[in-house]
Amino acid sequence: GESVGLHLPTLSVQEGDNSIINCAYSNSASDYFIWYKQESGKGPQFIIDIRSNMDKRQGQRVTVLLNKTVKHLSLQIAATQPGDSAVYFCAERPVHGSSNTGKLIFGQGTTLQVKP
Amino acid sequence: DAGITQSPRHKVTETGTPVTLRCHQTENHRYMYWYRQDPGHGLRLIHYSYGVKDTDKGEVSDGYSVSRSKTEDFLLTLESATSSQTSVYFCAISTMVDQPQHFGDGTRLSIL
Repeated sequence: GESVGLHLPTLSVQEGDNSIINCAYSNSASDYFIWYKQESGKGPQFIIDIRSNMDKRQGQRVTVLLNKTVKHLSLQIAATQPGDSAVYFCAERPVHGSSNTGKLIFGQGTTLQVKP
Repeated sequence: DAGITQSPRHKVTETGTPVTLRCHQTENHRYMYWYRQDPGHGLRLIHYSYGVKDTDKGEVSDGYSVSRSKTEDFLLTLESATSSQTSVYFCAISTMVDQPQHFGDGTRLSIL
């Protein structure tokens, strides 16, 4: 079946270091991927997205890498700050034939802890 | 955030009672979604809407119904609440299917 998963449930990093959060997806037909950040008591917040025709996309302090060969997605956060502490989710959008409803499948989430 | 308001933010009710959650957006986005978030399951899609009066089921739609009579409002109804529906419910909106979904801050629903 379709699934999106994360390799590590919790990632602890030192403030100022770079963080890498990984995600595996199973549906080779997925054409759109998104990373979200969720802080306690709030809804998921969009960070960055990437389409399947790209391998890399950069934002402010964040980079998403997509490796379609091994169906792997990663989020890199440069110079991690205490405010980056949150749960991070990846999500994929499977495409079913010509139908595309925008439905997303979410991973379980990785908790990022930033140590001062 | 992103012009999305969910109400109520918290609700406690009893098994067997009807419950309606409201999602209101000020962005005029076409697509609206309802998710539930539970430990160990992440976010799962309940129902979604691709226009006024146009809705469809997600992966966990049993026990839920939705309605969208105008662009800005998407209602989620639990006809007869059960304890298994205790969860945090999130509404999301997007302009198009290939654009990111933006989420509200959720409704924490407890069914005793």
